[in-house]
Amino acid sequence: DAKTTQPPSMDCAEGRAANLPCNHSTISGNEYVYWYRQIHSQGPQYIIHGLKNNETNEMASLIITEDRKSSTLILPHATLRDTAVYYCIAAGPNTGNQFYFGTGTSLTVIP
Amino acid sequence: DADVTQTPRNRITKTGKRIMLECSQTKGHDRMYWYRQDPGLGLRLIYYSFDVKDINKGEISDGYSVSRQAQAKFSLSLESAIPNQTALYFCATSRRGAENHEQYFGPGTRLTVT
Repeated sequence: DAKTTQPPSMDCAEGRAANLPCNHSTISGNEYVYWYRQIHSQGPQYIIHGLKNNETNEMASLIITEDRKSSTLILPHATLRDTAVYYCIAAGPNTGNQFYFGTGTSLTVIP
Repeated sequence: DADVTQTPRNRITKTGKRIMLECSQTKGHDRMYWYRQDPGLGLRLIYYSFDVKDINKGEISDGYSVSRQAQAKFSLSLESAIPNQTALYFCATSRRGAENHEQYFGPGTRLTVT
């Protein structure tokens, strides 16, 4: 599975959009990009995933570059409850979809 | 009720003791996983199972064993616990399929080995 690189921490003002970047330059053609978040020491929570196209759901938007070497998770209107560690994962069927979580980005939403 | 449950939620044990962590799911998923998380680090895969007869080692399987008793149950055992196995342990499930291997996580078990 492709490894990913994320900044260790970010701040965002409450109500503003939070843009979390992720580099996955060695991603394979059949590997998806997944985003999860972990609040305190709770179990990670799925946010969104995508293969090539940009995706949007009720939680977030995922923007994947055309060459698929990087992506950005966008939380459109960050709230204090969005303070968490965000993990970007690239995984695919060739390796049983094993997830390598890395250390993620610790996002702090500031009032 | 939670879809993925883990028991116990907290456990303190002594070095050399055998301990079992249990995971149950009501999601009807075929695939189940065990991860550990150390402070300040991401989750690391210990073992995973794609069905009852399929068990696979993950990134850090040494010192652990697993049992898939049924589709809904996946247990993790530490045969002889050691202090560096002190960690937060998570169970997860996912459905079979070519696309969308979203994993659903349990609440975690905090294990302390003294």
